[in-house]
Amino acid sequence: QVQLVESGGGLVKPGGSLKVSCAASGFTFSDYYMNWIRQAPGKGLEWISYISDSGDYTHYADSVKGRFTISRDNAKNALYLELTSLRADDTAVYYCARERSSGWLLGTWSQWGQGTLVFVSS
Amino acid sequence: DIQMTQSPSSLSASVGDRITITCQASQAIYNDLNWYQQKPGKAPKLLIYDASSLETGVPSRFSGTGSGTDFTLTISSLQPEDFATYYCQHHDNVAVFTFGPGTKVESK
Repeated sequence: QVQLVESGGGLVKPGGSLKVSCAASGFTFSDYYMNWIRQAPGKGLEWISYISDSGDYTHYADSVKGRFTISRDNAKNALYLELTSLRADDTAVYYCARERSSGWLLGTWSQWGQGTLVFVSS
Repeated sequence: DIQMTQSPSSLSASVGDRITITCQASQAIYNDLNWYQQKPGKAPKLLIYDASSLETGVPSRFSGTGSGTDFTLTISSLQPEDFATYYCQHHDNVAVFTFGPGTKVESK
């Protein structure tokens, strides 16, 4: 069955950096666009980035543009998000999510990981 | 930017009730609207995509309608496992992905 497992979250100081990962299994990872979506504690959901199936195309929400970098390694079935210049308002659970259909950017996410918490505090 | 609003922000209901949640877009978005369910401490779950298509495995008591700016999610007979927060989400093919603020469905 499809599995997405995030890791790498933790406590980081303001201005610091962190790289979170998402290990995918149960499907042909290289066929799907992948996304990162976050949720601040007690708040709603915010899409922050996608990467194309090949890795050639990426896009970011304005709130993270220039600070976060999405990448993938299709040989390792892994998705990454590098977070830099972190601020307190980046504190959130970060979810990786897979598009519902292969080969397309739909913005419709049928598979989600369990999330990894990034806590930015001094 | 397109803004999404939901009403109510919360509601209290009983098992067996029919409930309706509304989502409104600040401009017409055709049927580019999804609905998700989220339980505490869990990832969101896709319920409805493209305004009215039921995701595989989702019970038929869930339904979605609407197009343009006004959309609804209906649960025809609320079950104990349906107490959760529901989010609408706009999507398009130029990476505009915006969630509504959510509607919390609580037990009366």
